Formats: sequence, structure tokens, C-alpha cells
Amino acid sequence: AQSVSQHNHHVILSEAASLELGCNYSYGGTVNLFWYVQYPGQHLQLLLKYFSGDPLVKGIKGFEAEFIKSKFSFNLRKPSVQWSDTAEYFCAVNTGTASKLTFGTGTRLQVTL
Amino acid sequence: GAVVSQHPSRVICKSGTSVKIECRSLDFQATTMFWYRQFPKQSLMLMATSNEGSKATYEQGVEKDKFLINHASLTLSTLTVTSAHPEDSSFYICSAGGQENRYEQYFGPGTRLTVT
Repeated sequence: AQSVSQHNHHVILSEAASLELGCNYSYGGTVNLFWYVQYPGQHLQLLLKYFSGDPLVKGIKGFEAEFIKSKFSFNLRKPSVQWSDTAEYFCAVNTGTASKLTFGTGTRLQVTL
Repeated sequence: GAVVSQHPSRVICKSGTSVKIECRSLDFQATTMFWYRQFPKQSLMLMATSNEGSKATYEQGVEKDKFLINHASLTLSTLTVTSAHPEDSSFYICSAGGQENRYEQYFGPGTRLTVT
């Protein structure tokens, strides 16, 4: 079974700082990769997704992620965070044979003014 | 497009009673819906996969007799927590599989269940 690791549990950044959140998965076959964001009191929203093609994926709100197959990674990046980016971020994976998602443990991002 | 709703958003019930949570895909048909449970400050744990017109597939460790799932139509799945106990208190989230791409899921806003 696949698993997803997010090593950063809680990240605190000042506004305008650059962000990189790690995501590693364990599965040897074809994967589909997702980053979701959960703002306080709100439901999960899709930030970006990777199915195939260009491994550098651009999402909403200035976020991007890079799929590095050799490292089994799909790290999320943003060059300059804003206070409004304060939220919980989840990496998720499903495989080429099943649609169910496996989520990482999440990273809580706190952006200070 | 691809909006998923859940009802109720919050529910408080007494120990021993049953609670039904509805998940609806509002503007698309979902042959597959998923039910997750999220504990405070933790990740989402998949409970079961619900396919329209067939029995749900439960993840290991999830009691199917306690968490009854029904997917009677292409736009509605229900989760019934039977004989609820305080340890069932949690945030329950459903998602619906995408029409155009079955690997993509759209999430509902969640239901906060508190069992007293």
C-alpha cells in the first residue's frame, strides 16, 4: 500500500518569505499527486495536481509543485507567502489503478505579519 | 462546477443514538464517493469507498456495521453512525469522484459530529 510523508508538521514564516513544503510517497508504480489546502474553518480545496506531462505544475494562488520521480517527491513551493496563506496543507496520492486518495499527515503553515 | 455539499454541517447527539450524514454532488453525477474522518489537527483517514448501487468498500479497521454507508443514487451518499459513542466524535468529510477524471476528487465542507 502507498504511504505519504510530510516531514514539516508546523512551519512559521514571515510574509514575503519563500515556502517549500516536502512531500514524499512510497509507491513504485504510476501515481497521481495532489496538494490540498484547508483554511481555518473551511473545507479542503485543490491547490494543484499532477497526472502526467511537465513535472513542474502550477496551481492556484501562486503555488507550484515539482514531481521528481527519482526522489518520489512532490514538494510544494511558493516564492513569497502572504498572511492569507495561513492554513493546513495536505499532500495526497492515488495510484494508477485506484481512485482512493492517501493523505499525508499535513503541514500547518503559519504566516506572520 | 464540481460542488459537493454535506448536511448537516454540525450535529450533537447523545450516546447510543444514530446520526445520518448526507453527501451530495450538486452539479455532477458521482459514481464513486468517499468518506473520510479527520481528528483534530490530524490528517484525513479514508473510511470507505462508496459506489452507486453496490456495497461500500471499507478500509481496514473500520466497522461496517457501525458506519453504514448507502449510495442510492448518482448524487447522494449517506453515512450513518449507529449507536454513537463519544469516541466517534470527529469531523467527517465526504468527497465525490470526478466525472471527467476518476482520479480526481471534490470535497464536501465536512460535518462536525459531537457525541455527548
